[in-house]
Amino acid sequence: AQKVTQAQTEISVVEKEDVTLDCVYETRDTTYYLFWYKQPPSGELVFLIRRNSFDEQNEISGRYSWNFQKSTSSFNFTITASQVVDSAVYFCALSARDSGTYKYIFGTGTRLKVLA
Amino acid sequence: GAVVSQHPSWVICKSGTSVKIECRSLDFQATTMFWYRQFPKQSLMLMATSNEGSKATYEQGVEKDKFLINHASLTLSTLTVTSAHPEDSSFYICSAYSSGSYNEQFFGPGTRLTVL
Repeated sequence: AQKVTQAQTEISVVEKEDVTLDCVYETRDTTYYLFWYKQPPSGELVFLIRRNSFDEQNEISGRYSWNFQKSTSSFNFTITASQVVDSAVYFCALSARDSGTYKYIFGTGTRLKVLA
Repeated sequence: GAVVSQHPSWVICKSGTSVKIECRSLDFQATTMFWYRQFPKQSLMLMATSNEGSKATYEQGVEKDKFLINHASLTLSTLTVTSAHPEDSSFYICSAYSSGSYNEQFFGPGTRLTVL
């Protein structure tokens, strides 16, 4: 079965704190893709990153960084020096083959509140 | 590039009426489009997958006679909610995928449906 678990339902931090959002996935496929999206109150999904199963390199983009570990089936997302504008719901998604089509399986999301 | 639009962005209708939502890929040809539904404070749930020129494939529990999907061209898919009821009120999001997109889906901004 394919599954994505985001165990943290809601996290509150004070501005400038670092925060890590956890994502654990399950799949039997050897080829798959992992994504993180941000969903602000407007509702539109904002793409943050894509990773394929063969690329375990960690990535840093400004204040954002991602740690992909196949050994633990995790793809965690860290925001350094959080800002109020980071407040949103963050979704981790797994793209894996289902009946011949790559479909997304979304986690339940983590609501991040950054307090001034 | 990779822009997906949805129309309308929000709609209010009376119970029993039908509502059509359009999803367009503006700058690429979408071989596959997906329709999701998101209830408040919940994750995105895949409703159906549609390929241009063929019938949509619905996820388990989604009524295909109630949610009619047409993917008539490589840039347009429509979702029609027939005989809408208040429980159909939700945020509907479409996405589009092309064969060269590394399995990344490009999401529309969503349509908020309220059924009175």
